[in-house]
Amino acid sequence: EAEVAQSPRYKITEKSQAVAFWCDPISGHATLYWYRQILGQGPELLVQFQDESVVDDSQLPKDRFSAERLKGVDSTLKIQPAELGDSAMYLCASSFTGSVGETQYFGPGTRLLVL
Amino acid sequence: KNQVEQSPQSLIILEGKNCTLQCNYTVSPFSNLRWYKQDTGRGPVSLTIMTFSENTKSNGRYTATLDADTKQSSLHITASQLSDSASYICVVSAPMANFGNEKLTFGTGTRLTIIP
Repeated sequence: EAEVAQSPRYKITEKSQAVAFWCDPISGHATLYWYRQILGQGPELLVQFQDESVVDDSQLPKDRFSAERLKGVDSTLKIQPAELGDSAMYLCASSFTGSVGETQYFGPGTRLLVL
Repeated sequence: KNQVEQSPQSLIILEGKNCTLQCNYTVSPFSNLRWYKQDTGRGPVSLTIMTFSENTKSNGRYTATLDADTKQSSLHITASQLSDSASYICVVSAPMANFGNEKLTFGTGTRLTIIP
């Protein structure tokens, strides 16, 4: 069964360093989402792509976070510089068209610890 | 502000017993409501999705109900198994104006622990 791939699975970094996460959605899925999940809370949408275009990045802290999906397939989320409060699980999800009612398939996540 | 509240925050039950998790929401307009299961350290996995016109949906031992009038949903787990230990997240969808997409509001989840 096709799955959303993410790497790395775990990342430890010091504050003020740069980190990057990679996501490969299920083949053929046009919509890709990046979420941040703080321990004990539900996921919060950071950015949504439709193919290579950003649909929603209203919750993305743009002073330090950036995301790209240049060819409309895989995507990279970057944080520079990382802060202690960025410690969280970063989840990537994809769906076929992003239409209302479609299932979002989540990857295993990247757990980030900022020291 | 769109909100999804879940109760209880955590629940411990014996293997084989049934349980019910609750979800109340204030999301408007409403498109659909989903329940996800999230194992520790993993991404959420979809269990059920219900639209406005549906008031119950089952997936094996999981049965979700929806009362769109009172804006409440429940997830009932029958004959619990050790593998049911996970967080269960209620997610409510609102339609977006552009691209025909939707915006999801996630609850904080109920942490369920099944003990032998």
